[in-house]
Amino acid sequence: AQSVTQLGSHVSVSEGALVLLRCNYSSSVPPYLFWYVQYPNQGLQLLLKYTTGATLVKGINGFEAEFKKSETSFHLTKPSAHMSDAAEYFCAVSASSGSRLTFGEGTQLTVNP
Amino acid sequence: EADIYQTPRYLVIGTGKKITLECSQTMGHDKMYWYQQDPGMELHLIHYSYGVNSTEKGDLSSESTVSRIRTEHFPLTLESARPSHTSQYLCASSETGMGQPQHFGDGTRLSIL
Repeated sequence: AQSVTQLGSHVSVSEGALVLLRCNYSSSVPPYLFWYVQYPNQGLQLLLKYTTGATLVKGINGFEAEFKKSETSFHLTKPSAHMSDAAEYFCAVSASSGSRLTFGEGTQLTVNP
Repeated sequence: EADIYQTPRYLVIGTGKKITLECSQTMGHDKMYWYQQDPGMELHLIHYSYGVNSTEKGDLSSESTVSRIRTEHFPLTLESARPSHTSQYLCASSETGMGQPQHFGDGTRLSIL
């Protein structure tokens, strides 16, 4: 069984500030990890994914995430927030034995001018 | 730009009507999924398919049904709509293989009066 916990359903940052969205997972087998972004009235768009190899993963729009096995974490960061980053962010895990995704409850990011 | 298309984008309809939500993808993906998402909430898997003539129920019980007669097409049907079916429905697809990300359509926002 696998599960995802996103700490903080709402995160608010100032424009230009660091963005940190937290994600912890549990999985009985090596996981594949994903971050998706959802803008209002749209579907989910893949930001980045971790499968194997380098634990620091770079994605689109300046986001990156680091897989830390010892902490079972996959936190999403961006050095400098932009107004256009305001959206809902979902962390997801897939067990290595299949392709079904388990999603976290999402974090709503607000960027203040 | 999306290679997975959902129609209609918005639907407001009366109780008791039969509804079919369309989902098509042009990527040749064998795997397709339907999720239900209430506003600002997490995604719940309601149906999935691993190929033609293959359909399975997801984690969330749903009164809807699906079919997969063609690889590219995965419609979802509600025989008799009720207000409790009001939600957003997201369709996704993925390649076969471990760790493959899912690609999402823009969703259908369904309101049952």
